[in-house]
Amino acid sequence: AQSVTQLDSQVPVFEEAPVELRCNYSSSVSVYLFWYVQYPNQGLQLLLKYLSGSTLVKGINGFEAEFNKSQTSFHLRKPSVHISDTAEYFCAVSAQGAQKLVFGQGTRLTINP
Amino acid sequence: NAGVTQTPKFQVLKTGQSMTLQCAQDMNHNSMYWYRQDPGMGLRLIYYSASEGTTDKGEVPNGYNVSRLNKREFSLRLESAAPSQTSVYFCASSEVLRLLNTEAFFGQGTRLTVV
Repeated sequence: AQSVTQLDSQVPVFEEAPVELRCNYSSSVSVYLFWYVQYPNQGLQLLLKYLSGSTLVKGINGFEAEFNKSQTSFHLRKPSVHISDTAEYFCAVSAQGAQKLVFGQGTRLTINP
Repeated sequence: NAGVTQTPKFQVLKTGQSMTLQCAQDMNHNSMYWYRQDPGMGLRLIYYSASEGTTDKGEVPNGYNVSRLNKREFSLRLESAAPSQTSVYFCASSEVLRLLNTEAFFGQGTRLTVV
């Protein structure tokens, strides 16, 4: 069965600093990988996805993630964060034949001025 | 372009009462899901349905039942609500590509309080 581990439950950074949110997955078969963002009191919105092709995936709001099959990771990065990026971020995996999406525990990103 | 629609948005129940959360999607997706979100616990899968007529348990199915009424609709029922079921509930749907589920589209959530 597939699983997802988000290595940091909270990440505080200063505005305009770079940020990396870490995600590792476990699966013995092919996977699709996703990052979602949840702003306060809202639903989940897709940031970016890896289905196939280039391992560097660009998403909305300047975020990008890199799929690393050998390290089973899919870390999310942004070179310069803004106050409006304050939110909770979820990594998710879909494994071949599993019929369901599995989410990580979430990382709360807090941007300090 | 509604996507995934959940009703109601808010609900307060007394312990022991029953209720059904409704979910409908207009994207012709095969897969549908119910998750609950609790502080510090992330999203936990309650039940899912890979296609019309099939349902399967997720991580936390106890105290819940589901019905995949047709391809569009997937309802979640609490038969006898307990305070431990106080949570935010999300319905989602996704399509299958090359035997994998693609991105999930989420409803806006139902905030349920059981007193």
